[in-house]
Amino acid sequence: EIVMTQSPATLSVSPGARATLSCRASQSVGSNLAWYQQKPGQAPRLLIYGASTRATDIPTRFSGSGSGTEFTLTISSLQSEDFAVYYCQQYNNWPGTFGQGTKVEIE
Amino acid sequence: QVHLVQSGAEVKKPGASVKVSCKASGYTFTGYYMYWVRQAPGQGLELMGWINPNSGDTNYAQKFQGRVTMTRDTSISTTYMELSRLKSDDTAVFYCARGATVTRPPFSSFDLWGQGTLVTVSS
Repeated sequence: EIVMTQSPATLSVSPGARATLSCRASQSVGSNLAWYQQKPGQAPRLLIYGASTRATDIPTRFSGSGSGTEFTLTISSLQSEDFAVYYCQQYNNWPGTFGQGTKVEIE
Repeated sequence: QVHLVQSGAEVKKPGASVKVSCKASGYTFTGYYMYWVRQAPGQGLELMGWINPNSGDTNYAQKFQGRVTMTRDTSISTTYMELSRLKSDDTAVFYCARGATVTRPPFSSFDLWGQGTLVTVSS
């Protein structure tokens, strides 16, 4: 089973600032990597798939990059609604595995 | 509007079983894999398995094999996840989530999620 490791566990950011979240896979997953946003009491929402393709209706301030084992989610200018937990997920190998999450909180 | 609507919260005793439903609307139910994901309180996301609603084929994560059964009823566009021999650490929110089209391999991200069903296991 592929282990996904996210860093940092918590990211304190001011509104309007840039946030960079990292996700590392224990072995190559190619570009089969997704990012999700989850707010308290809500289901996850797909942000990015294929490592860099924004899902439907996702704002352009969200961008994904990377391939193989190293991936990054960047939020270019944090809005109040972006403070949440973010998960990466690989779907290259069964079972698809998730990282433990990065909490983006207001600084 | 595409939606996945799940059944309501459940409270079960250890050793019992729970069956959670997920009703799809707004798209071709048999056209997409359906996955089930578990999230324990304050914890991350854990994939349990998938079902092909068209064929009924299933694949379960090893951790849940022998305890989980996924089924579907195409007449009402609903998938079910039954987990047996419940333990206290099965207390979690269970989500259904839509995957890839069934014409492709079942490895994908999940673009549509149900609202979640809280299952509490307590004596």
